Amino acid sequence: QKEVEQNSGPLSVPEGAIASLNCTYSDRGSQSFFWYRQYSGKSPELIMSIYSNGDKEDGRFTAQLNKASQYVSLLIRDSQPSDSATYLCAATSGGSYIPTFGRGTSLIVHP
Amino acid sequence: NAGVTQTPKFQVLKTGQSMTLQCAQDMNHNSMYWYRQDPGMGLRLIYYSASEGTTDKGEVPNGYNVSRLNKREFSLRLESAAPSQTSVYFCASTSGGGQETQYFGPGTRLLVL
Repeated sequence: QKEVEQNSGPLSVPEGAIASLNCTYSDRGSQSFFWYRQYSGKSPELIMSIYSNGDKEDGRFTAQLNKASQYVSLLIRDSQPSDSATYLCAATSGGSYIPTFGRGTSLIVHP
Repeated sequence: NAGVTQTPKFQVLKTGQSMTLQCAQDMNHNSMYWYRQDPGMGLRLIYYSASEGTTDKGEVPNGYNVSRLNKREFSLRLESAAPSQTSVYFCASTSGGGQETQYFGPGTRLLVL
């Protein structure tokens, strides 16, 4: 069974620090990886997608993928209180477009 | 462009009652999905529709039925609600073109007493 694992947290970081969110996946055939942000009481929204080994940067966000270690991470630089949310990691396999979601990591950025 | 819309936003049911959750998207997407989200459980796929006219079971289909009414609309029906179906339900859609970003609706909060 395909699994995506995340530490549920909460991860607490001070404002201005780097927040590091991690995700591991069990299916070696996984090819597409996504980070979604979900504010309390709201629906998930896509932050980043990554498909190749290495880093992908978008503003304050950097996604990192290491397929050999089956590991995906999301770095948030200069964290702001508005980044406080639950972050969901998802992966899809080459033969399927159906994503498997992790349970999410709660991030708290305190002033 | 409203994206993905869901109705109702909130519903209270008594055990045994039935109801239909409605979902519509205006992005001309081919694929649509129904998830439930429970505390500490993440998103679990109930049913999905790869394209108009097709539906398939996901991880937790028991107690639910779906209808892909047309390309825009995908409904989820609870025939006889149970307290275990108390949850937040999200509808999502994707273009179906390969690298699949999911676009979510605002959710329906369902309480079954």
